[in-house]
Amino acid sequence: EAQVTQNPRYLITVTGKKLTVTCSQNMNHEYMSWYRQDPGLGLRQIYYSMNVEVTDKGDVPEGYKVSRKEKRNFPLILESPSPNQTSLYFCASSPGTANTGELFFGEGSRLTVL
Amino acid sequence: QQQVKQSPQSLIVQKGGISIINCAYENTAFDYFPWYQQFPGKGPALLIAIRPDVSEKKEGRFTISFNKSAKQFSLHIMDSQPGDSATYFCAANVRGSTLGRLYFGRGTQLTVWP
Repeated sequence: EAQVTQNPRYLITVTGKKLTVTCSQNMNHEYMSWYRQDPGLGLRQIYYSMNVEVTDKGDVPEGYKVSRKEKRNFPLILESPSPNQTSLYFCASSPGTANTGELFFGEGSRLTVL
Repeated sequence: QQQVKQSPQSLIVQKGGISIINCAYENTAFDYFPWYQQFPGKGPALLIAIRPDVSEKKEGRFTISFNKSAKQFSLHIMDSQPGDSATYFCAANVRGSTLGRLYFGRGTQLTVWP
């Protein structure tokens, strides 16, 4: 089954404790992206990657890091989480190296930072 | 600066009625306008999309109307059903752009009463 898989789905952590949210897709897509969803603010892009070893900032990259060492994986790293990073996070992928606008989303990771 | 403005933020419609969600944009370079549907606990999924060379696209009960001169587009859900209750996001991008950006509206939470 074609899918984007995120882990963990739910996480409660404390301020400053490094964490990684993994994202993996099995569709051989070049393009991958991370979004955060907050009430009233919709989906805001954090980082995206057009291909292996190619990443760029979205609208809200502060406090986040990403890496793209393999085509299928695009982990989101919070080096020192803060309460304002409490949010619902989505990973998405799309075929092609150009932006098609046709995204396949994972089921989300709900993160709470205390 | 918000690239795509969406309204209303929430919408309540009776079963069988018409749901209408509106979006507006400023960037005339946008050439692809998708709508995403998100059910509670799930990631957004592509519902329907339109290119600016047509004024309307219909798929079942879902229709996108596009007004290029006004830089507006809207989603119409005919004969709305309780199963349509979800959050809807409009979006826009420059398809094929190497910048990798898809801009989302802030979302509309639709509730259809039986």
